[in-house]
Amino acid sequence: NAGVTQTPKFQVLKTGQSMTLQCAQDMNHNSMYWYRQDPGMGLRLIYYSASEGTTDKGEVPNGYNVSRLNKREFSLRLESAAPSQTSVYFCASSEPENEQYFGPGTRLTVT
Amino acid sequence: AQSVTQPDIHITVSEGASLELRCNYSYGATPYLFWYVQSPGQGLQLLLKYFSGDTLVQGIKGFEAEFKRSQSSFNLRKPSVHWSDAAEYFCAVGARPGTASKLTFGTGTRLQVTL
Repeated sequence: NAGVTQTPKFQVLKTGQSMTLQCAQDMNHNSMYWYRQDPGMGLRLIYYSASEGTTDKGEVPNGYNVSRLNKREFSLRLESAAPSQTSVYFCASSEPENEQYFGPGTRLTVT
Repeated sequence: AQSVTQPDIHITVSEGASLELRCNYSYGATPYLFWYVQSPGQGLQLLLKYFSGDTLVQGIKGFEAEFKRSQSSFNLRKPSVHWSDAAEYFCAVGARPGTASKLTFGTGTRLQVTL
């Protein structure tokens, strides 16, 4: 039982490049989330998926897109990376109205 | 909109001393409340949660927290800190009800433990 897994662990992009962050969970959770963590700002919700087939914007969605590929997988895409998107990205999953379980994070640097 | 305030950015305590980390929330009804811990380079681990019932909740690693509705607070406590408790601690509030537990996090408190 791996919990929540994220790939890659580290990534360096040049401004304007695109990439997709992958997230998978094996706990059969319905809800999945993407957060970004910046120093002094805690975690901020980018997008979430309450259940398979649905996605909704969180607090900071601009510059990102998501896909809930199936119940297990929830990907985050940066179409044209900007230095302001340098951050640590965390995926999480939960049953609705229950605690969230977090992945180990992806550290992204955009130069 | 819900919000969380953790007024202490950084706290230093001696090993064996007691610890209290402060958390104040803003929400229109009874919220879901959580404390998470993050070790350097790691993801977040749930320490404890409050949904309803007894306002004093016990968590892992000897931590506890008390929900005080009148003060809109959910402070985290530990009677005797160990060096391995050095980490960053996040308080979070979740809206209820809903089809997903959208959490709002505080900005975190970094705990340093001196030997």
